[in-house]
Amino acid sequence: GAVVSQHPSWVICKSGTSVKIECRSLDFQATTMFWYRQFPKQSLMLMATSNEGSKATYEQGVEKDKFLINHASLTLSTLTVTSAHPEDSSFYICSAVRQDTQYFGPGTRLTVL
Amino acid sequence: AQSVTQPDIHITVSEGASLELRCNYSYGATPYLFWYVQSPGQGLQLLLKYFSGDTLVQGIKGCEAEFQRSQSSFNLRKPSVHWSDAAEYFCAVGLMEYGNKLVFGAGTILRVKS
Repeated sequence: GAVVSQHPSWVICKSGTSVKIECRSLDFQATTMFWYRQFPKQSLMLMATSNEGSKATYEQGVEKDKFLINHASLTLSTLTVTSAHPEDSSFYICSAVRQDTQYFGPGTRLTVL
Repeated sequence: AQSVTQPDIHITVSEGASLELRCNYSYGATPYLFWYVQSPGQGLQLLLKYFSGDTLVQGIKGCEAEFQRSQSSFNLRKPSVHWSDAAEYFCAVGLMEYGNKLVFGAGTILRVKS
């Protein structure tokens, strides 16, 4: 149990376009999901907390207008990177909370050309 | 402030040898503690967690960890390492009062030599 999926697993886009990443909890409902970014050879950096039915809470330094988060249902949260630029290229990982434990998705590799 | 320290950035062990990964935390309340493993290009997989009760917890992949309050430690152990255990291991403390946020250590990269 406690399976979290992400789609797509990788995406390549042109600079200036927007990209949407989906995070789904497959076998449980999650009121809270988290979005992380991970740079090579580094630990995870928390970007935002996504709560179903309410606005996301962003960490300091994360541009909320650039990284749009929508948690429309108890099993789906989406992260949209708007007007992507090469510096947004990274590995994005989501997690969903079940019984006080975060379960992570497999990650999405974003490359912006 | 809450923090997690994993003092070893890299560890190399021989296949079949035992493993201990160190983790120390700084947290004012009773901690929720986790160990996760990440293979290259993958998400994080939960190995085990400690919330309360028995301070020796068993997890998946033959792992165990011991919560030692006096040492502020939560070290991960495995009696015999397999080549497939090569990965990066993250210790984390859960901030329940902040909506289950996690504070991660920097990670320990495990290399297994045959």
